[in-house]
Amino acid sequence: QKEVEQNSGPLSVPEGAIASLNCTYSDRGSQSFFWYRQYSGKSPELIMFIYSNGDKEDGRFTAQLNKASQYVSLLIRDSQPSDSATYLCAVHTGTASKLTFGTGTRLQVTL
Amino acid sequence: EADIYQTPRYLVIGTGKKITLECSQTMGHDKMYWYQQDPGMELHLIHYSYGVNSTEKGDLSSESTVSRIRTEHFPLTLESARPSHTSQYLCASSVLSPRGILDFGPGTRLLVL
Repeated sequence: QKEVEQNSGPLSVPEGAIASLNCTYSDRGSQSFFWYRQYSGKSPELIMFIYSNGDKEDGRFTAQLNKASQYVSLLIRDSQPSDSATYLCAVHTGTASKLTFGTGTRLQVTL
Repeated sequence: EADIYQTPRYLVIGTGKKITLECSQTMGHDKMYWYQQDPGMELHLIHYSYGVNSTEKGDLSSESTVSRIRTEHFPLTLESARPSHTSQYLCASSVLSPRGILDFGPGTRLLVL
């Protein structure tokens, strides 16, 4: 079992719709959770991070964390073609002090 | 935009050559990292440093070496390049806390023939 799992996609949503990206992790000791966006041929950039159970909103983005289910998600409201990219889920485990990335979900926002 | 730089951006080189990938950051970050990423695959940590004269190997076994003589500079060296080293190499840096927030450089795409 991979430490951080994501559906590779592509996830295709029409412009203006809500895109829902999901991630599960295996280490119950994980403490902080991150979403990075990576455009094709570019390096990753941080979108959001979340530490506590529940929702965290930043503009069109909402991160959701459920530690009991070992599940973290990213919602993108009013999806735009410029949101088309690969979204990487990353999990930080305090005990090992390391950041583990998933393989990413490719999002395509269609006109 | 993060002030972290990598050179060269692209490199095509023959088997057996020694190469050094450069990474510099002007943010004064203590922690620096090297990740390797193949197309469509996850990032794998190959080396990291918590500060000057501190280097550690990451999760992915690598034949490369790193050094951290200055805070801003974290070069990665391959003594003898092989086709299996063909990949994208991403350098990143971060402050000590909060952990997990990385600033990535633009990457170096390496092709070993």
